[in-house]
Amino acid sequence: KNQVEQSPQSLIILEGKNCTLQCNYTVSPFSNLRWYKQDTGRGPVSLTIMTFSENTKSNGRYTATLDADTKQSSLHITASQLSDSASYICVVIALSNDYKLSFGAGTTVTVRA
Amino acid sequence: NAGVMQNPRHLVRRRGQEARLRCSPMKGHSHVYWYRQLPEEGLKFMVYLQKENIIDESGMPKERFSAEFPKEGPSILRIQQVVRGDSAAYFCASSPQRQPEAFFGQGTRLTVV
Repeated sequence: KNQVEQSPQSLIILEGKNCTLQCNYTVSPFSNLRWYKQDTGRGPVSLTIMTFSENTKSNGRYTATLDADTKQSSLHITASQLSDSASYICVVIALSNDYKLSFGAGTTVTVRA
Repeated sequence: NAGVMQNPRHLVRRRGQEARLRCSPMKGHSHVYWYRQLPEEGLKFMVYLQKENIIDESGMPKERFSAEFPKEGPSILRIQQVVRGDSAAYFCASSPQRQPEAFFGQGTRLTVV
């Protein structure tokens, strides 16, 4: 079983609307949690990095939240744009193997005009 | 700063041939990580190297796969006698220290025919 589960698997939203992606993890204890954006055919690009003591982190229209007690994180996209169409990947790094990233399978977001 | 450079971007090999994937880390980075992404799946850790040393190869199949990061030149992921199941996108990331930073290459898409 994957240690990082994401939902939904995919979603379609209209341009200008907001959406929220979910990430549940079992990695414990963990060092930090990251959200990446991966465009089709490209490498992942970091959006946010949060340590276990942080509850929220923003990067422009992207806001990530973290609840270390329930082991859940979310990524909120505000006022979506066509360029937001991509796969969004939740990544958790364990405290023990701090170089070994555990990846979720990603949520594919499609923004339509 | 050119970022993490991977080549080739696309590689087609017939079953039984060898595939050599190259990764040039960002300037000043001495830590390299290789990941594999199968279709519809998340990225999976393969191997972690630090100049001339393999630190952790626990995610790499023991047969046919090898990796190196020589003192001079790029890191090489080598797959011998490729099979159809090796078809995937292979990404590398580099960092200046042990914990991987957020810098991924664009990936090499290997297709075995």
